[in-house]
Amino acid sequence: DGGITQSPKYLFRKEGQNVTLSCEQNLNHDAMYWYRQDPGQGLRLIYYSQIVNDFQKGDIAEGYSVSREKKESFPLTVTSAQKNPTAFYLCASSLPGRKETQYFGPGTRLLVL
Amino acid sequence: GEDVEQSLFLSVREGDSSVINCTYTDSSSTYLYWYKQEPGAGLQLLTYIFSNMDMKQDQRLTVLLNKKDKHLSLRIADTQTGDSAIYFCAESIEGGSYIPTFGRGTSLIVHP
Repeated sequence: DGGITQSPKYLFRKEGQNVTLSCEQNLNHDAMYWYRQDPGQGLRLIYYSQIVNDFQKGDIAEGYSVSREKKESFPLTVTSAQKNPTAFYLCASSLPGRKETQYFGPGTRLLVL
Repeated sequence: GEDVEQSLFLSVREGDSSVINCTYTDSSSTYLYWYKQEPGAGLQLLTYIFSNMDMKQDQRLTVLLNKKDKHLSLRIADTQTGDSAIYFCAESIEGGSYIPTFGRGTSLIVHP
């Protein structure tokens, strides 16, 4: 069964703590993306990677970091510099190119204690 | 620049048709997408249309594109309670990174 998995489903962060959200895909997609979703807002792009060992900042990259050491994996770290991290985080992947649609994971909800 | 606009809410009665509207600003050749998000879940692609098409139909779903007005609509025939979700319009620009720009989403509420 091909798809994208995200873990954990819920994550709690204490003040000053870094947390890492996992995203794994077995679709053999080159491109992977991280989005943040807040109530009443659309999806805002945090980071994306179009190939292994390369990634680019999206619209709201401040306070976040990523790595892309393997094609299948694109973890997102929410650092202590991100002052308002409570949100729903969505990972997606796609083949490169304009008509290649994105496939989304089930999401991780991050809450601050 | 890229901007995708949608109304935030739509309420319909079960069995009626729903029409969700979207406007976009970029005039380049583009793909336009409709995604569905159920509560607490990721986004699921429903359908997409290229900007040289006017209409696309897939079972209960009909997508209409008015290029002159940069207006896209999604019609759901015979709306069911299972159609209650947030519907996102998205646009992918020719010649750019092809990363879609999403609207804020329209919450469709289906009541008996």
